[in-house]
Amino acid sequence: AQSVTQLGSHVSVSEGALVLLRCNYSSSVPPYLFWYVQYPNQGLQLLLKYTSAATLVKGINGFEAEFKKSETSFHLTKPSAHMSDAAEYFCAVTRDTGRRALTFGSGTRLQVQP
Amino acid sequence: GAGVSQSPSNKVTEKGKDVELRCDPISGHTALYWYRQSLGQGLEFLIYFQGNSAPDKSGLPSDRFSAERTGGSVSTLTIQRTQQEDSAVYLCASSTNEGSPLHFGNGTRLTVT
Repeated sequence: AQSVTQLGSHVSVSEGALVLLRCNYSSSVPPYLFWYVQYPNQGLQLLLKYTSAATLVKGINGFEAEFKKSETSFHLTKPSAHMSDAAEYFCAVTRDTGRRALTFGSGTRLQVQP
Repeated sequence: GAGVSQSPSNKVTEKGKDVELRCDPISGHTALYWYRQSLGQGLEFLIYFQGNSAPDKSGLPSDRFSAERTGGSVSTLTIQRTQQEDSAVYLCASSTNEGSPLHFGNGTRLTVT
């Protein structure tokens, strides 16, 4: 069976500080991994996707994520937080049964303090 | 081009009534998903259509929920005999194929009174 766990439902950082949002998955087959972002009162947007071509994936708005198979992790980072990064972030992984539908973590709400 | 379109954007219904939510995916996208997002919760997978294959219905919470996709395009999610716990934002997404990034609609906010 497959699942995705996001540690920390709320993360607060100061503007300019490092952002680290954690995601761990369990899958018996190589997964597709994604991060999506939902800004206030907006729909979900793709931030980045792991394609297996490279373990470090760069996304939009300066975010990146590193796939670590040994740790079954796909943590999202950004070196310097900006006020506009305040949003909810979702990690997602393809199921490894059935038709490999995409399943999402419970989300992490990022707050950026001035 | 046009994105994923969902209608209505808001729906208020009385407990016990049936509701239909509509999703128009991006043209040419073979994969279509329905998710439910409750207040303070993540996205709960409901159902997944891929091309002409039988849909993955494993996420539907009860037999009051059903969905169909006609002609490989438009999809309708039906909730029969709505309950207050059905109140949520129902999101539709489509993608070119399995494993491709999803494009989400803006959702239908359902309120059951």
